[in-house]
Amino acid sequence: QKEVEQDPGPLSVPEGAIVSLNCTYSNSAFQYFMWYRQYSRKGPELLMYTYSSGNKEDGRFTAQVDKSSKYISLFIRDSQPSDSATYLCAMSASGTASKLTFGTGTRLQVTL
Amino acid sequence: DAGITQSPRHKVTETGTPVTLRCHQTENHRYMYWYRQDPGHGLRLIHYSYGVKDTDKGEVSDGYSVSRSKTEDFLLTLESATSSQTSVYFCAITPGGRGGANVLTFGAGSRLTVL
Repeated sequence: QKEVEQDPGPLSVPEGAIVSLNCTYSNSAFQYFMWYRQYSRKGPELLMYTYSSGNKEDGRFTAQVDKSSKYISLFIRDSQPSDSATYLCAMSASGTASKLTFGTGTRLQVTL
Repeated sequence: DAGITQSPRHKVTETGTPVTLRCHQTENHRYMYWYRQDPGHGLRLIHYSYGVKDTDKGEVSDGYSVSRSKTEDFLLTLESATSSQTSVYFCAITPGGRGGANVLTFGAGSRLTVL
């Protein structure tokens, strides 16, 4: 079993929809949680960064971490065609020299 | 991909040949990483460096070696390429420390095909 599980999709939604992306993990030492967005044939770029449990909001994006359930989510409100990309969750434990463990990524398509 | 450059961006080679991928950064960041990305596996860490001449293995280091003789350059070498090493390779950097740790900046990737 992988340390981080993520539904690969693809997920197709109409423009304006609310999107929910999720990851589960098994390593209770993970304390730092990130979401990266990757456009086709590009490198991943950091979208959201959260430490420990709780919510974080940035514009149309909200990241949630539930450490008790080992479950993290990314919500996208008012989705746009420009949000079409692969979304990767990533996490790490304290003191691991920023060695991240990534999910496999969920491919999102926002249609007009 | 400002501040981090990977070369070559595309390479086709034959089984058994040596291959070196280069990552160059202009950010003066301490930490540098090499990941590979494959369908169904996501990004997996190959090797990383926490300073000049200081490197360590990641989860998929077999068949790969690295070197870092200058802060700005991190080289990934496949001594004898195999078809299983066909992948997209990403370099990443981070300054490390409070506030900087875990915030990786990735390069554009190097697509390697081993025939």
